[in-house]
Amino acid sequence: GENVEQHPSTLSVQEGDSAVIKCTYSDSASNYFPWYKQELGKRPQLIIDIRSNVGEKKDQRIAVTLNKTAKHFSLHITETQPEDSAVYFCAASPGRTYKYIFGTGTRLKVLA
Amino acid sequence: DVKVTQSSRYLVKRTGEKVFLECVQDMDHENMFWYRQDPGLGLRLIYFSYDVKMKEKGDIPEGYSVSREKKERFSLILESASTNQTSMYLCASRETPQETQYFGPGTRLLVL
Repeated sequence: GENVEQHPSTLSVQEGDSAVIKCTYSDSASNYFPWYKQELGKRPQLIIDIRSNVGEKKDQRIAVTLNKTAKHFSLHITETQPEDSAVYFCAASPGRTYKYIFGTGTRLKVLA
Repeated sequence: DVKVTQSSRYLVKRTGEKVFLECVQDMDHENMFWYRQDPGLGLRLIYFSYDVKMKEKGDIPEGYSVSREKKERFSLILESASTNQTSMYLCASRETPQETQYFGPGTRLLVL
């Protein structure tokens, strides 16, 4: 069935370094890929998204890249700060159904 | 600003009780979702509704039912609560499958 694999499950970086989280999806019909950030005790919130007709999108320190051939998309955070510490979820919207398929999450710790 | 609210932040129930969790969104969104979130398992879809009075099972519907009588409100019902339904429950809504989902603050349910 449809699934999204997300790696790594945990990631620790020094403040100021970059962090990269990778997701691979199975359904080639997927056409929308959001990334959510969930801080402790709070709701998931969208931080960036990308559609299948675009290869890269950037918003300040956050960027997402999409490789449709490899069915792979990644979140890049540059110049990490302690407030970037959270759980990050990727998702893929297969398009044929109403469901998002979520990755299992990456716990990012930014060490001061 | 999209607003998704849930009826309770914390709830404690006894085994066998019928439990109602309510979700309300104010953006006239067509699609609404119920997820449960457990450590290490990410976000798992219980049920979703793509229109009023329409519902579809997600990945883990057993032990749950839903109701959507009005567009803005989507209720999750635990027919007979069990201890393995202790979890964080998140509601979400969105306009179309190619748009982001907006999450509610979550209800942390403890079943004793």
